[in-house]
Amino acid sequence: SYEVTQPPSVSVSPGQTATITCSGHQLRDKYACWYQQKPGQSPVLVIYQDSKRPSGIPERFSGSTSGITATLTISGTQAMDEADYYCQAWDSITSHVTFGGGTKLTVL
Amino acid sequence: QVRLVQSGPEVKKPGASVKVSCKASGYTFANYDINWVRQAPGQGLEWMGWMNPNDDNVASAQKFQGRVTFTKNTAVSTAYMELSSLRSDDTAVYYCARVLNWGLAYWGQGTLVTVSS
Repeated sequence: SYEVTQPPSVSVSPGQTATITCSGHQLRDKYACWYQQKPGQSPVLVIYQDSKRPSGIPERFSGSTSGITATLTISGTQAMDEADYYCQAWDSITSHVTFGGGTKLTVL
Repeated sequence: QVRLVQSGPEVKKPGASVKVSCKASGYTFANYDINWVRQAPGQGLEWMGWMNPNDDNVASAQKFQGRVTFTKNTAVSTAYMELSSLRSDDTAVYYCARVLNWGLAYWGQGTLVTVSS
């Protein structure tokens, strides 16, 4: 198994751009996904296959990868985006899943 | 539309087992893996494993191997996760989730399992 690492918290002002990173050596070869989770709710997939957005997810959410780091970017952050965000990677050989520890996004 | 509906909350004593169900609708049950993820109070998401309802192939995180069992009943489009030898630190919300394009696109509502003497 392997680990992916996220910052525990990120703060952003409304209307600004929030950036959340996820690092792990295996990310170089594996797709990353991102999930948003609000208190008391099930997680919601916001980015899959590194940079694709499921239907219904606002365009302000975008994803990218470079080397061993995946990045979730929220442009024009809104108060409703305040939540916990988790990155997730797949092991393409074993199909095992690893989640990052989560990042609490605060919109000040 | 795709829906995953899980069974209700459970309270168990240490050493007991719990079986959580996940009823799928809105798609062909056999065509997609079901993953299981748990979340302890105030903690992050923890992957437990998955099952392929078509061929019964399973995979589980090393942490749970020997203690977790994934099964299914295709006739009622339901997947099950059974965790044995429960401890207090197994207290968590347990989720089932379905894959789409390498992402866990559909999630159940979660089942709270409380382990307490």
